[in-house]
Amino acid sequence: GNSVTQMEGPVTLSEEAFLTINCTYTATGYPSLFWYVQYPGEGLQLLLKATKADDKGSNKGFEATYRKETTSFHLEKGSVQVSDSAVYFCALSGGPWNTDKLIFGTGTRLQVFP
Amino acid sequence: DAMVIQNPRYQVTQFGKPVTLSCSQTLNHNVMYWYQQKSSQAPKLLFHYYDKDFNNEADTPDNFQSRRPNTSFCFLDIRSPGLGDAAMYLCATSRDLLGQDGGNQPQHFGDGTRLSIL
Repeated sequence: GNSVTQMEGPVTLSEEAFLTINCTYTATGYPSLFWYVQYPGEGLQLLLKATKADDKGSNKGFEATYRKETTSFHLEKGSVQVSDSAVYFCALSGGPWNTDKLIFGTGTRLQVFP
Repeated sequence: DAMVIQNPRYQVTQFGKPVTLSCSQTLNHNVMYWYQQKSSQAPKLLFHYYDKDFNNEADTPDNFQSRRPNTSFCFLDIRSPGLGDAAMYLCATSRDLLGQDGGNQPQHFGDGTRLSIL
């Protein structure tokens, strides 16, 4: 079945450092890929998404590119801020005309220090 | 602002005492979801409603039930909570299951209700 694998956290960075959080997936067909962020005490917020190979999702300085050849959707940001401290979830769903449920990775906690 | 609202933010109940969590949305979305999220884990889908059609996940315990009396509201009922049911419960909505291009619709989450069992 479909699955998502994320790097384990916590990821600890200083402010303005470069961020990469790795995400790889296993799926049949052409899934849609998402990154969600969960700030302390809150629900999940959609950060960005990509629906087909080579698409790049971007939002708030974060980017991720849908790489079908490596089945990856790594999250990157050039310069993190303390306010980016949160848990980041990579997720996939079935893809075009497929209503399969959203599958989440286990989440990666990011801690950014001043 | 249009949003997904969960009440209460924190709920404490006794072992075996029924409890109801509520979710409302002003987005007018067709689909509403309930997830269970235990500490340091990914959210786990319990069930969803597409309009009035209820869709239960195969591994959701019978102890968990849901009601959707209208488009705006959805309730999660736990008939006899056990200690293992202590978790964050997240409600989410999406406009539809698929967009006009066949792409999957993103889900919009509430802030969750943290349930504690005494």
